[in-house]
Amino acid sequence: DAKTTQPPSMDCAEGRAANLPCNHSTISGNEYVYWYRQIHSQGPQYIIHGLKNNETNEMASLIITEDRKSSTLILPHATLRDTAVYYCIVRVAFRLRNQFYFGTGTSLTVIP
Amino acid sequence: DTEVTQTPKHLVMGMTNKKSLKCEQHMGHRAMYWYKQKAKKPPELMFVYSYEKLSINESVPSRFSPECPNSSLLNLHLHALQPEDSALYLCASSQVGTKSDTQYFGPGTRLTVL
Repeated sequence: DAKTTQPPSMDCAEGRAANLPCNHSTISGNEYVYWYRQIHSQGPQYIIHGLKNNETNEMASLIITEDRKSSTLILPHATLRDTAVYYCIVRVAFRLRNQFYFGTGTSLTVIP
Repeated sequence: DTEVTQTPKHLVMGMTNKKSLKCEQHMGHRAMYWYKQKAKKPPELMFVYSYEKLSINESVPSRFSPECPNSSLLNLHLHALQPEDSALYLCASSQVGTKSDTQYFGPGTRLTVL
């Protein structure tokens, strides 16, 4: 019951911006979009999340379309350490928990 | 402190063994999660504890038995596992009941069943 679709892999030149797309066409109005990344066999690391508005933090920017059916994670100046699998996630909130629906992930390779 | 710790990092066990995985957080989170991740796949939710009570069991076989002794600790007891249960087991925690809760993941336990 994946709620997101992502391209399986992408390459990016070191120092350039990496733009990772995600489709979530069935997202509901109160469901957040989260992005995590996972460097080989480590635990997933939180990057950023948003509901409607674009968001920016020290790691990345998140651009969400006005209809909320898709989003793009932007790493402004990719480094070799950004090579990882990036997961786009729809978070559904229930009364006593939240539940993440992981996409299949995009394997980003940053090339020197 | 946004750290979730998991022990052991690696575990090798036979199909007749009994072992336990441990997870700990000190962020005051009241929801804790177990995920299973096979190679090149996204994490799959197994169990969710909310306020120390099991709130989700995603049809996980009974050879996996979760336990939440207090709000900071989460265990996963393993018994009579199969080789196909070999995977990375991830623990996560989050706040409860707010609109925008982030799950914080531990580094995982790499389990190999022989």
